Amino acid sequence: EPEVTQTPSHQVTQMGQEVILRCVPISNHLYFYWYRQILGQKVEFLVSFYNNEISEKSEIFDDQFSVERPDGSNFTLKIRSTKLEDSAMYFCASLPGQLNTEAFFGQGTRLTVV
Amino acid sequence: KNQVEQSPQSLIILEGKNCTLQCNYTVSPFSNLRWYKQDTGRGPVSLTIMTFSENTKSNGRYTATLDADTKQSSLHITASQLSDSASYICVVTPKGSGGYQKVTFGIGTKLQVIP
Repeated sequence: EPEVTQTPSHQVTQMGQEVILRCVPISNHLYFYWYRQILGQKVEFLVSFYNNEISEKSEIFDDQFSVERPDGSNFTLKIRSTKLEDSAMYFCASLPGQLNTEAFFGQGTRLTVV
Repeated sequence: KNQVEQSPQSLIILEGKNCTLQCNYTVSPFSNLRWYKQDTGRGPVSLTIMTFSENTKSNGRYTATLDADTKQSSLHITASQLSDSASYICVVTPKGSGGYQKVTFGIGTKLQVIP
């Protein structure tokens, strides 16, 4: 069964450092998303990506965040200068492109900023 | 503001018993409503997806219902198993164009099934 894969599963970084979270969406999917979930809180939308550009982003997705799909398969989320409050689970998701279809989530990357 | 509220926040049931989880939403108009199961430390896994015109959808022991008039959905779990212990998240997608939907997540109901 096709799946969305994320690496690393756990990343520990010092405050102020840059991190790159990686995702390999399902190969024939067209829409890609990043979400985050702070421990004990609800999943929050960060950004959606379609046709090699950002289609929507939330207030959380400020100038410290960026996404790209450098090689047509990987989908990355970069945080330029991490803050303590960036500690969370980050989930990547992809959709095939049709309305009302299932969104597939990766298993997440747990980011810990110390 | 689009909101998704779930109840109860947490629930403990005995193995083999049934339970029903509730989801109320304000997202309007909406495209679809999904129920996800999220094991601790893992990504959400889709259980059901319903459009506004569907009233019920089953997936094994999971049955979701939807009342688009009252903006309520429920997830019924039959004959619970220990492996059902997880958070169950209600996710509503607003009507949009193509895949440009920005979904709204509920905080989830944490279910614990005990022997």
